[in-house]
Amino acid sequence: AQKITQTQPGMFVQEKEAVTLDCTYDTSDQSYGLFWYKQPSSGEMIFLIYQGSYDEQNATEGRYSLNFQKARKSANLVISASQLGDSAMYFCAMRGDNDMRFGAGTRLTVKP
Amino acid sequence: KAGVTQTPRYLIKTRGQQVTLSCSPISGHRSVSWYQQTPGQGLQFLFEYFSETQRNKGNFPGRFSGRQFSNSRSEMNVSTLELGDSALYLCASSLVTSGGLYNEQFFGPGTRLTVL
Repeated sequence: AQKITQTQPGMFVQEKEAVTLDCTYDTSDQSYGLFWYKQPSSGEMIFLIYQGSYDEQNATEGRYSLNFQKARKSANLVISASQLGDSAMYFCAMRGDNDMRFGAGTRLTVKP
Repeated sequence: KAGVTQTPRYLIKTRGQQVTLSCSPISGHRSVSWYQQTPGQGLQFLFEYFSETQRNKGNFPGRFSGRQFSNSRSEMNVSTLELGDSALYLCASSLVTSGGLYNEQFFGPGTRLTVL
């Protein structure tokens, strides 16, 4: 069965610094997709970045980049130049053959 | 382009009642997925519909059901509500291309269901 693990329940980062949110996954599927979502206090899930299992290059979207290490089954999210508006829950997710699974999330707090 | 819309946004029901939640995907998106989010269990996959057919189903009892219409709008129904069904129910749509299943899902604002 697929499993997503986010080991950091909470993280703090100083404004303008970079932060890495960890995500490891376990799957027997040959093809899968990895996603990161942001959920502010309003509750809406906001798509940030996607990485396909066969993509050789790490995905980047503006200040977000995904550090994909397939052999280690990790897909860490890197946020550069943190902003106060980045304070939110962050979820790592994986879509395989059957469904989409989410990790427990990491609450990021950006300090001024 | 309009985003995913969900109605109603808030709902209060009592145990034993049933409820129907609605989701309108982004125009052109044919895949709709439903999730339940609770503080204790996190985000859990309920089911996915594509072209009016249920493609995948999560590990939820039969009280939870859904359907998709020809215009891709989807509804989910929960019968015989229990206190534990109180949650944020999120709907997500995606544009499934010939490239496979791995397109990003765009989420709606959710329906917050409270069961008393």
